[in-house]
Amino acid sequence: GAGVSQSPRYKVAKRGQDVALRCDPISGHVSLFWYQQALGQGPEFLTYFQNEAQLDKSGLPSDRFFAERPEGSVSTLKIQRTQQEDSAVYLCASSLSPGLYTGELFFGEGSRLTVL
Amino acid sequence: AQSVSQHNHHVILSEAASLELGCNYSYGGTVNLFWYVQYPGQHLQLLLKYFSGDPLVKGIKGFEAEFIKSKFSFNLRKPSVQWSDTAEYFCAVNAITGNQFYFGTGTSLTVIP
Repeated sequence: GAGVSQSPRYKVAKRGQDVALRCDPISGHVSLFWYQQALGQGPEFLTYFQNEAQLDKSGLPSDRFFAERPEGSVSTLKIQRTQQEDSAVYLCASSLSPGLYTGELFFGEGSRLTVL
Repeated sequence: AQSVSQHNHHVILSEAASLELGCNYSYGGTVNLFWYVQYPGQHLQLLLKYFSGDPLVKGIKGFEAEFIKSKFSFNLRKPSVQWSDTAEYFCAVNAITGNQFYFGTGTSLTVIP
């Protein structure tokens, strides 16, 4: 597609439920990032993929968070046993550049998760 | 750890006023610098970027930013703001040796017609 697509745009979950957030990056983009943006804050890095390889997951806040990109295109961020503090907008971004030195990031519109 | 500081959290200006938003980063190595903008209800979009060369970079919609290496700063400027510039502005840093983009906490700009 023309841009980064994320779904669902809005998700309301009860505490303890599992959620899955999907990201469809720009076709051909090698790098894919997930960010968490809490209200009034800047995006915080969660994890990074280069093609299907998850090269950096240092930002994942707990082992309840899991991300995958099995075929090097679409990525899914899964949050197990959601907690209220997981409420945030989850942003996906992709970049054409591979490797350690990334170029411009193209962002999706985000998935807003609200945990009740 | 790297960090990005944006000094102004909320800025309110009248149309035609000049704008300067501060951004400082803490990283001693080679960096790429960015300003992203998020208009209400829209996704983050690139406003301008600095990779190398002329430290004064020009972006879209009349915005510019100056990289001052000695001050670890990358301030955003616009000589005359418009109502349509109302948005959230984020400074971001990408270290040349890292995979991560570090974002500041953002500055909310409101332009009053």
